[in-house]
Amino acid sequence: DTAVSQTPKYLVTQMGNDKSIKCEQNLGHDTMYWYKQDSKKFLKIMFSYNNKELIINETVPNRFSPKSPDKAHLNLHINSLELGDSAVYFCASSQGTGAQGPLHFGNGTRLTVT
Amino acid sequence: KNEVEQSPQNLTAQEGEFITINCSYSVGISALHWLQQHPGGGIVSLFMLSSGKKKHGRLIATINIQEKHSSLHITASHPRDSAVYICAVRPFRTGNQFYFGTGTSLTVIP
Repeated sequence: DTAVSQTPKYLVTQMGNDKSIKCEQNLGHDTMYWYKQDSKKFLKIMFSYNNKELIINETVPNRFSPKSPDKAHLNLHINSLELGDSAVYFCASSQGTGAQGPLHFGNGTRLTVT
Repeated sequence: KNEVEQSPQNLTAQEGEFITINCSYSVGISALHWLQQHPGGGIVSLFMLSSGKKKHGRLIATINIQEKHSSLHITASHPRDSAVYICAVRPFRTGNQFYFGTGTSLTVIP
C-alpha cells in the first residue's frame, strides 16, 4: 500500500491556468507538507499543516494555497500559473512535528508550465 | 547562507569503497534526517537522529550535537547506492519547518 500518494505524476499546462495537485496519506500522521524542488534539486518548504495550524513559508506567492479537507489529505492549488512555477512538487507527512518520526514522501509531481 | 551545508556536492566511487557524506548545520535542532533520492525521483527516509549513531544494513549515520555535524557512511558501496543524499534538520524553534541541504550526488561505478 502506498503510504503517501500524490496525483498527477506529471502535469503540463499553459501559463495563466489554474491547477491542483492532490495528496493523500494512509499512515495516520497528523502533519503534512508541501515542498518544491527546483532544477538544482534543492528542497524548499512551502506549507506545513496539522490539525492545529497551517504554517506558510512567507516566500510562497499567494497564488499557491493548500486545502485540507481532512487529516489524511492536503491538496495544493495553484492559480494563474507562471513559467517559474515549473518544478517538482513533493507532498510529505510525519507524525508530530518531524522530531518524533521519519518524513514520508510522495513520488512527486513534475509540473511544466509552457 | 544555507542553514545546512553538505559536502561533497558530488562524489564518484568504485564499487566496494567506503563512502562518507558530511552535513553541518548552524541552528539548534531537535532532529536530523537523512534522505535518499534515486534518479527516478522518489525520496526515501533513511534515518532520523537526535543523538549518537544508527545503523541499517550497510548504512551508518552519526551525529554530534555539540559540533552541529552529522555523517552518513556507506560500507561496501554498490552501484544501486547511486542517488542523491539529502540532509534535513528540524530546528528547535516553533513551526513545522525543516531546513534542507543541497544534497550530495553519489555515483558508484561497477
